[in-house]
Amino acid sequence: NAGVMQNPRHLVRRRGQEARLRCSPMKGHSHVYWYRQLPEEGLKFMVYLQKENIIDESGMPKERFSAEFPKEGPSILRIQQVVRGDSAAYFCASSRGRGQYFGAGTRLSVL
Amino acid sequence: GQQVMQIPQYQHVQEGEDFTTYCNSSTTLSNIQWYKQRPGGHPVFLIQLVKSGEVKKQKRLTFQFGEAKKNSSLHITATQTTDVGTYFCAGLNSGNTPLVFGKGTRLSVIA
Repeated sequence: NAGVMQNPRHLVRRRGQEARLRCSPMKGHSHVYWYRQLPEEGLKFMVYLQKENIIDESGMPKERFSAEFPKEGPSILRIQQVVRGDSAAYFCASSRGRGQYFGAGTRLSVL
Repeated sequence: GQQVMQIPQYQHVQEGEDFTTYCNSSTTLSNIQWYKQRPGGHPVFLIQLVKSGEVKKQKRLTFQFGEAKKNSSLHITATQTTDVGTYFCAGLNSGNTPLVFGKGTRLSVIA
């Protein structure tokens, strides 16, 4: 019963370090979405990927942020040179067409 | 760009009372989805509505999609403490555009 797996669940980084967040979609799902959520806020779309392709990255900052979904392995959201404002919960979701299924999220804290 | 507004932002009810949250989109939607997020948890897909005027029920939850496919509501009858959480609507314009989430309605149920 493998749902969407995200790791790590919690990540602490100092300013200037890199953060790598991983997401393995549900079996059979080829669409992956990354969202960012601040406390008491809604979900803000960042990027939509299919295997080896970025379909829509309109919600992702152009600098420091990148995402990939390789042919083999999990999707990775990479944040370079983190700043305090990057502290948030990052959720990954996968879909096969009807509804999106979310992982438990990675809570990133930048010191 | 497309916006999805949700009201109210917060709702406190006595256990047994009814609860409704409303969702309005600035554009006509191809479908609308509803999610529930428990405190500290991740969003969980509840339902997807596609047809104009559609009404769907899940036990005590009733979901409606407006005739113009620009608004939706979620009604919970006789709330229970297990209903506590934030309810998000999310609108989809077309297949390859990202879901746009509302900011959610946070429901508290007082026993």
